[in-house]
Amino acid sequence: TQLLEQSPQFLSIQEGENLTVYCNSSSVFSSLQWYRQEPGEGPVLLVTVVTGGEVKKLKRLTFQFGDARKDSSLHITAAQTGDTGLYLCAGAETDSGGSNYKLTFGKGTLLTVNP
Amino acid sequence: KAGVTQTPRYLIKTRGQQVTLSCSPISGHRSVSWYQQTPGQGLQFLFEYFSETQRNKGNFPGRFSGRQFSNSRSEMNVSTLELGDSALYLCASSFQSTRGEAFFGQGTRLTVV
Repeated sequence: TQLLEQSPQFLSIQEGENLTVYCNSSSVFSSLQWYRQEPGEGPVLLVTVVTGGEVKKLKRLTFQFGDARKDSSLHITAAQTGDTGLYLCAGAETDSGGSNYKLTFGKGTLLTVNP
Repeated sequence: KAGVTQTPRYLIKTRGQQVTLSCSPISGHRSVSWYQQTPGQGLQFLFEYFSETQRNKGNFPGRFSGRQFSNSRSEMNVSTLELGDSALYLCASSFQSTRGEAFFGQGTRLTVV
């Protein structure tokens, strides 16, 4: 079983600050996904990165997949209170046929953005 | 397009009882996965069903079981409940060819007393 480690576990910042959270593994994934979960709700998919070195931007959020496809980072510029939530990364493994995906989740980074 | 629907949202059960949770996936999604989420362990994979067959299974005891119906709706059952089974149970549906991306329901909060 491949493991994903996320850091930091907790992060509390002021509105307007920038931040980066990390997702690391010793194994290679076919793709990596980032989700955000708010209290009492299920995780919501933010982005999927597939190619090593890939960078994707979603408004103030920038996602990067490591060259070796073992790690990823999420950078938030000028954080807002609405960014508060649990950020989860998930690595996808496939079977030899390439169609049966299994997701492994990290434990998440709990981000609190204070006004 | 309706999202993933889980029922009930909240449940309180007594130790030793059993419980059945329900999940209706997004229309057209044939894969349904179940996860247990606790503060200490995070999201842990229970099992995945595809076209009524269990395709993947996590490391949980046999008290946890599931099934999928021909319309892709899925149920999860936990027998002989223990206090440690208290958790948020999440169901996620996926479309076959979208790199395993999961669309989650709001979850069922199970409390065992």
